Amino acid sequence: KAGVTQTPRYLIKTRGQQVTLSCSPISGHRSVSWYQQTPGQGLQFLFEYFSETQRNKGNFPGRFSGRQFSNSRSEMNVSTLELGDSALYLCASSPGVVAGEDTQYFGPGTRLTVL
Amino acid sequence: GENVEQHPSTLSVQEGDSAVIKCTYSDSASNYFPWYKQELGKRPQLIIDIRSNVGEKKDQRIAVTLNKTAKHFSLHITETQPEDSAVYFCAAIDGGFKTIFGAGTRLFVKA
Repeated sequence: KAGVTQTPRYLIKTRGQQVTLSCSPISGHRSVSWYQQTPGQGLQFLFEYFSETQRNKGNFPGRFSGRQFSNSRSEMNVSTLELGDSALYLCASSPGVVAGEDTQYFGPGTRLTVL
Repeated sequence: GENVEQHPSTLSVQEGDSAVIKCTYSDSASNYFPWYKQELGKRPQLIIDIRSNVGEKKDQRIAVTLNKTAKHFSLHITETQPEDSAVYFCAAIDGGFKTIFGAGTRLFVKA
């Protein structure tokens, strides 16, 4: 099976702009989670989508939003970009069906730089 | 909610030595604990996992142990090699579908 893919791989934006990132999960996986990775903060959970619904949410401001389409592809949007939003954004897909034992598989990430 | 603490943040070992990374979790409902390895510039990759009905699991030079009573789990790498150098993340699934990661351990294996 093809792995998780993310587009674009690199983005450069300026403060105040907005950005949309895309994630295509492994075929058959219905859950997509998004993480922000910065050098000192590890993997911070943003949100998880399953069957086009946000099922879990982390502690990020409302500027961070997402959605999931009927084919399980997911997008993440960040509005009014701030310098601190510069990070590697990773998505991970999983079957999303059996609670408590869902193995996640990561995409290559999108490196966002905010100037 | 679930909280995962990971230690140490940095670990340096000589090639051939063993490396141990320890994690603790807070949610007693957590039953699944995966470990990921992230090499520089690459995505995190699952290397081993353990479920709560098992106390230990091995895969060649890698082993994971779990103590549910103490809410501890650990990764053990034996006979370390330079290619083991990476950042390692432990994680716990909260009983639902939310994966919480530890802060990561940067492992250096010196040749």
